[in-house]
Amino acid sequence: DAGITQSPRYKITETGRQVTLMCHQTWSHSYMFWYRQDLGHGLRLIYYSAAADITDKGEVPDGYVVSRSKTENFPLTLESATRSQTSVYFCASSEATGTNTEAFFGQGTRLTVV
Amino acid sequence: QKEVEQNSGPLSVPEGAIASLNCTYSDRGSQSFFWYRQYSGKSPELIMSIYSNGDKEDGRFTAQLNKASQYVSLLIRDSQPSDSATYLCAGYNNAGNMLTFGGGTRLMVKP
Repeated sequence: DAGITQSPRYKITETGRQVTLMCHQTWSHSYMFWYRQDLGHGLRLIYYSAAADITDKGEVPDGYVVSRSKTENFPLTLESATRSQTSVYFCASSEATGTNTEAFFGQGTRLTVV
Repeated sequence: QKEVEQNSGPLSVPEGAIASLNCTYSDRGSQSFFWYRQYSGKSPELIMSIYSNGDKEDGRFTAQLNKASQYVSLLIRDSQPSDSATYLCAGYNNAGNMLTFGGGTRLMVKP
Protein backbone atom coordinates (compact mmCIF):
# COMPACT_ATOMS: atom_id res chain seq x y z
CA ASP A 1 0.00 0.00 0.00
CA ALA A 2 1.17 3.50 -0.72
CA GLY A 3 1.90 5.84 2.13
CA ILE A 4 3.90 5.80 5.30
CA THR A 5 3.77 2.85 7.64
CA GLN A 6 5.25 2.23 11.06
CA SER A 7 5.92 -1.05 12.79
CA PRO A 8 5.24 -2.36 15.28
CA ARG A 9 2.07 -0.53 16.32
CA TYR A 10 2.56 -1.54 19.94
CA LYS A 11 5.68 -2.65 21.78
CA ILE A 12 6.48 -3.49 25.35
CA THR A 13 10.15 -3.83 26.26
CA GLU A 14 12.26 -4.01 29.36
CA THR A 15 14.61 -1.38 30.68
CA GLY A 16 18.05 -1.72 29.17
CA ARG A 17 16.99 -3.58 26.05
CA GLN A 18 17.61 -2.35 22.55
CA VAL A 19 14.51 -1.75 20.48
CA THR A 20 14.08 -0.58 16.90
CA LEU A 21 11.03 1.15 15.52
CA MET A 22 10.56 0.92 11.78
CA CYS A 23 9.27 3.51 9.36
CA HIS A 24 8.72 2.96 5.65
CA GLN A 25 7.36 5.35 3.02
CA THR A 26 6.48 4.65 -0.59
CA TRP A 27 6.44 8.22 -1.92
CA SER A 28 10.22 8.62 -2.28
CA HIS A 29 10.00 11.70 -0.09
CA SER A 30 13.36 13.29 0.63
CA TYR A 31 12.72 14.26 4.22
CA MET A 32 11.76 12.00 7.07
CA PHE A 33 11.19 12.83 10.73
CA TRP A 34 10.83 11.03 14.04
CA TYR A 35 8.74 12.56 16.84
CA ARG A 36 7.71 11.45 20.27
CA GLN A 37 4.44 12.54 21.84
CA ASP A 38 3.88 12.72 25.57
CA LEU A 39 1.05 14.29 27.50
CA GLY A 40 1.72 17.97 27.97
CA HIS A 41 4.55 18.13 25.45
CA GLY A 42 2.93 17.85 22.07
CA LEU A 43 5.18 16.46 19.34
CA ARG A 44 8.89 16.72 19.98
CA LEU A 45 11.36 16.18 17.16
CA ILE A 46 13.93 13.46 17.85
CA TYR A 47 15.83 13.18 14.57
CA TYR A 48 15.30 14.12 10.98
CA SER A 49 16.84 13.18 7.67
CA ALA A 50 17.15 15.23 4.49
CA ALA A 51 18.12 12.31 2.27
CA ALA A 52 19.72 8.89 2.39
CA ASP A 53 22.82 8.93 4.59
CA ILE A 54 22.03 12.43 5.93
CA THR A 55 20.62 12.68 9.43
CA ASP A 56 20.46 15.43 12.03
CA LYS A 57 19.49 15.84 15.66
CA GLY A 58 16.21 17.40 16.60
CA GLU A 59 15.00 18.74 19.95
CA VAL A 60 15.34 15.55 22.02
CA PRO A 61 17.92 13.19 20.45
CA ASP A 62 19.58 11.75 23.56
CA GLY A 63 19.20 7.99 23.88
CA TYR A 64 18.19 7.49 20.25
CA VAL A 65 20.04 6.48 17.10
CA VAL A 66 18.81 6.67 13.52
CA SER A 67 20.02 5.54 10.15
CA ARG A 68 18.90 6.08 6.59
CA SER A 69 20.66 3.78 4.19
CA LYS A 70 17.68 3.86 1.79
CA THR A 71 15.38 6.75 0.98
CA GLU A 72 12.25 4.82 1.93
CA ASN A 73 13.32 3.59 5.37
CA PHE A 74 14.15 5.51 8.53
CA PRO A 75 14.50 3.23 11.55
CA LEU A 76 14.75 4.63 15.07
CA THR A 77 16.74 2.66 17.65
CA LEU A 78 16.68 2.99 21.40
CA GLU A 79 20.03 1.51 22.30
CA SER A 80 19.24 0.95 25.99
CA ALA A 81 15.60 1.68 26.68
CA THR A 82 14.63 3.66 29.78
CA ARG A 83 11.20 4.19 31.36
CA SER A 84 11.34 7.85 30.34
CA GLN A 85 11.26 6.69 26.72
CA THR A 86 7.76 5.31 27.18
CA SER A 87 5.83 7.33 24.63
CA VAL A 88 3.99 7.33 21.34
CA TYR A 89 6.40 7.64 18.44
CA PHE A 90 5.41 9.12 15.10
CA CYS A 91 7.32 8.99 11.87
CA ALA A 92 6.59 11.54 9.13
CA SER A 93 7.81 12.27 5.63
CA SER A 94 7.82 15.29 3.37
CA GLU A 95 8.55 15.69 -0.32
CA ALA A 96 10.82 18.66 0.30
CA THR A 97 11.01 21.51 2.73
CA GLY A 98 10.21 25.20 2.59
CA THR A 99 7.07 26.12 0.73
CA ASN A 100 4.29 23.82 -0.46
CA THR A 101 5.46 20.85 1.55
CA GLU A 102 3.44 19.34 4.30
CA ALA A 103 4.53 16.34 6.35
CA PHE A 104 2.50 13.13 6.32
CA PHE A 105 2.40 10.94 9.40
CA GLY A 106 2.46 7.23 10.04
CA GLN A 107 -0.03 5.60 12.42
CA GLY A 108 2.33 5.78 15.37
CA THR A 109 4.02 3.22 17.61
CA ARG A 110 3.05 3.04 21.24
CA LEU A 111 6.15 2.00 23.19
CA THR A 112 6.07 0.98 26.83
CA VAL A 113 9.31 0.43 28.71
CA VAL A 114 8.86 -1.55 31.91
CA GLN B 1 12.15 28.08 24.84
CA LYS B 2 10.24 26.02 22.29
CA GLU B 3 10.37 27.34 18.77
CA VAL B 4 6.59 27.07 18.44
CA GLU B 5 4.28 27.86 21.35
CA GLN B 6 0.58 27.26 21.85
CA ASN B 7 -1.88 27.59 24.69
CA SER B 8 -2.73 24.06 25.80
CA GLY B 9 -6.37 24.89 26.48
CA PRO B 10 -8.85 23.35 26.63
CA LEU B 11 -10.72 25.85 24.53
CA SER B 12 -14.44 25.30 24.83
CA VAL B 13 -16.89 26.81 22.32
CA PRO B 14 -20.58 26.17 21.65
CA GLU B 15 -21.66 24.50 18.45
CA GLY B 16 -21.95 27.00 15.62
CA ALA B 17 -19.51 29.48 17.15
CA ILE B 18 -16.12 30.55 15.83
CA ALA B 19 -13.13 28.84 17.43
CA SER B 20 -9.89 30.83 17.42
CA LEU B 21 -6.60 29.00 17.93
CA ASN B 22 -3.32 30.82 18.28
CA CYS B 23 0.36 30.07 17.91
CA THR B 24 3.59 32.05 18.21
CA TYR B 25 7.03 31.20 16.89
CA SER B 26 10.51 32.32 17.82
CA ASP B 27 12.54 31.87 14.60
CA ARG B 28 11.99 35.11 12.69
CA GLY B 29 13.28 33.46 9.52
CA SER B 30 10.64 30.73 9.52
CA GLN B 31 8.71 30.67 6.25
CA SER B 32 6.21 27.81 6.32
CA PHE B 33 3.51 27.05 8.84
CA PHE B 34 0.97 24.30 9.20
CA TRP B 35 -2.08 23.45 11.25
CA TYR B 36 -2.70 19.79 12.03
CA ARG B 37 -5.70 18.21 13.71
CA GLN B 38 -5.24 15.17 15.93
CA TYR B 39 -8.05 13.07 17.30
CA SER B 40 -7.36 11.08 20.43
CA GLY B 41 -5.32 7.96 19.66
CA LYS B 42 -4.79 8.95 16.02
CA SER B 43 -1.97 10.50 14.04
CA PRO B 44 -1.94 14.19 13.08
CA GLU B 45 -3.59 15.15 9.81
CA LEU B 46 -2.98 18.36 7.90
CA ILE B 47 -5.72 20.99 7.84
CA MET B 48 -4.02 24.07 6.46
CA SER B 49 -0.66 25.35 5.33
CA ILE B 50 0.27 29.02 5.07
CA TYR B 51 3.41 30.68 3.74
CA SER B 52 2.54 34.34 3.14
CA ASN B 53 1.36 37.13 5.38
CA GLY B 54 -2.39 37.46 5.49
CA ASP B 55 -5.31 35.09 5.42
CA LYS B 56 -5.87 31.79 3.67
CA GLU B 57 -9.35 30.30 3.60
CA ASP B 58 -10.42 26.72 2.98
CA GLY B 59 -14.05 25.95 3.67
CA ARG B 60 -14.78 26.62 7.34
CA PHE B 61 -11.10 27.10 8.12
CA THR B 62 -9.04 30.28 7.86
CA ALA B 63 -5.34 30.43 8.65
CA GLN B 64 -3.73 33.76 9.38
CA LEU B 65 -0.03 34.58 9.38
CA ASN B 66 1.58 37.74 10.71
CA LYS B 67 5.35 37.51 10.24
CA ALA B 68 6.03 40.86 11.89
CA SER B 69 4.39 39.66 15.10
CA GLN B 70 5.54 36.04 14.59
CA TYR B 71 2.00 34.88 15.02
CA VAL B 72 -0.11 32.22 13.34
CA SER B 73 -3.77 31.57 13.97
CA LEU B 74 -6.53 29.22 12.86
CA LEU B 75 -10.19 30.19 12.81
CA ILE B 76 -12.87 27.54 12.58
CA ARG B 77 -16.28 28.92 11.63
CA ASP B 78 -19.54 27.18 12.44
CA SER B 79 -17.76 24.84 14.84
CA GLN B 80 -19.12 21.31 15.01
CA PRO B 81 -18.76 18.67 17.74
CA SER B 82 -16.71 16.67 15.22
CA ASP B 83 -14.13 19.50 15.32
CA SER B 84 -13.33 18.53 18.92
CA ALA B 85 -9.69 17.48 18.79
CA THR B 86 -6.19 18.73 19.54
CA TYR B 87 -4.89 21.28 17.05
CA LEU B 88 -1.16 21.38 16.47
CA CYS B 89 0.71 24.34 15.02
CA ALA B 90 3.96 23.54 13.21
CA GLY B 91 6.65 25.47 11.43
CA TYR B 92 9.93 24.94 9.64
CA ASN B 93 13.03 26.66 10.94
CA ASN B 94 14.90 29.32 8.96
CA ALA B 95 17.03 26.69 7.25
CA GLY B 96 13.85 24.95 6.15
CA ASN B 97 14.85 21.50 7.35
CA MET B 98 13.48 21.12 10.88
CA LEU B 99 9.72 20.86 11.35
CA THR B 100 8.79 21.55 14.96
CA PHE B 101 5.43 21.57 16.67
CA GLY B 102 3.76 23.47 19.43
CA GLY B 103 2.30 21.61 22.38
CA GLY B 104 -1.18 21.61 20.84
CA THR B 105 -4.47 23.20 21.89
CA ARG B 106 -7.37 20.97 22.83
CA LEU B 107 -10.64 22.21 21.36
CA MET B 108 -14.00 21.13 22.74
CA VAL B 109 -17.14 22.00 20.79
CA LYS B 110 -20.24 21.55 22.91
CA PRO B 111 -23.59 20.70 21.28
